[in-house]
Amino acid sequence: NAGVTQTPKFQVLKTGQSMTLQCAQDMNHNSMYWYRQDPGMGLRLIYYSASEGTTDKGEVPNGYNVSRLNKREFSLRLESAAPSQTSVYFCASSEKGRADTQYFGPGTRLTVL
Amino acid sequence: KNEVEQSPQNLTAQEGEFITINCSYSVGISALHWLQQHPGGGIVSLFMLSSGKKKHGRLIATINIQEKHSSLHITASHPRDSAVYICAVQKDSNYQLIWGAGTKLIIKP
Repeated sequence: NAGVTQTPKFQVLKTGQSMTLQCAQDMNHNSMYWYRQDPGMGLRLIYYSASEGTTDKGEVPNGYNVSRLNKREFSLRLESAAPSQTSVYFCASSEKGRADTQYFGPGTRLTVL
Repeated sequence: KNEVEQSPQNLTAQEGEFITINCSYSVGISALHWLQQHPGGGIVSLFMLSSGKKKHGRLIATINIQEKHSSLHITASHPRDSAVYICAVQKDSNYQLIWGAGTKLIIKP
C-alpha cells in the first residue's frame, strides 16, 4: 500500500497562475482533507470531504476549490495564486471521519512569487 | 488565546532522558490526537485518545478530561525521536481538528 500520495512535491508559481494539487489514497478511506502549514503555525484545514460526493469548507477556504473525484482522489485547485498561498500543503485521509486517526501524505511545498 | 496550547515550544535533551510534552485545551472535545512531524516534513499519527492512557513502545500518552490536559512522554529518548510533536483536538460539536503549534524536540547523542 502506498498510503496517501501527493503530486507534485514542489511547485513554484507566479502570481495569478493556476494549478491543481493531486491527492490519492489506497486505503479505502471515506474522508479526505486538505491542510496548509505555515512557519510557526499549526496545520489549518482548507477543505474536507466526509465521503465521496461531498465537500465542505474548513478554516481557510478562500482562494481554493476542491474536487472529490471518486473515493480515492481529492484535488485542491488554486485558480489565481497569490504570494499569501505560499505554504506546505498536506492531504490526509481517515477511515470513518469523525474522531478517527488521519493518515497524511508527504506534502507539497508551494512557492508563489 | 489559542484553543490548543503546547509547551514547551522547543525542547533539547540528552539521549536517554525522559521527555514530557504538554498540551492544554480550552474547549470540549471528543478526542485528542498526538502526531509526529519528521524533519523531512512527513506527519505520522501516534495516538488518538479520549480518556486514560495509551502506550506504544517508548511512547506514552495520557489525558485528563477534567483538567483539559494531555501529556506525551518518551522514555529512554533517542536521537531518532527528534521531531516536532503536534497535539490536535476534536471538538465535541465540530468535525474539524484544532491544531497546536507543535513542540520541536531535539535529542542529542
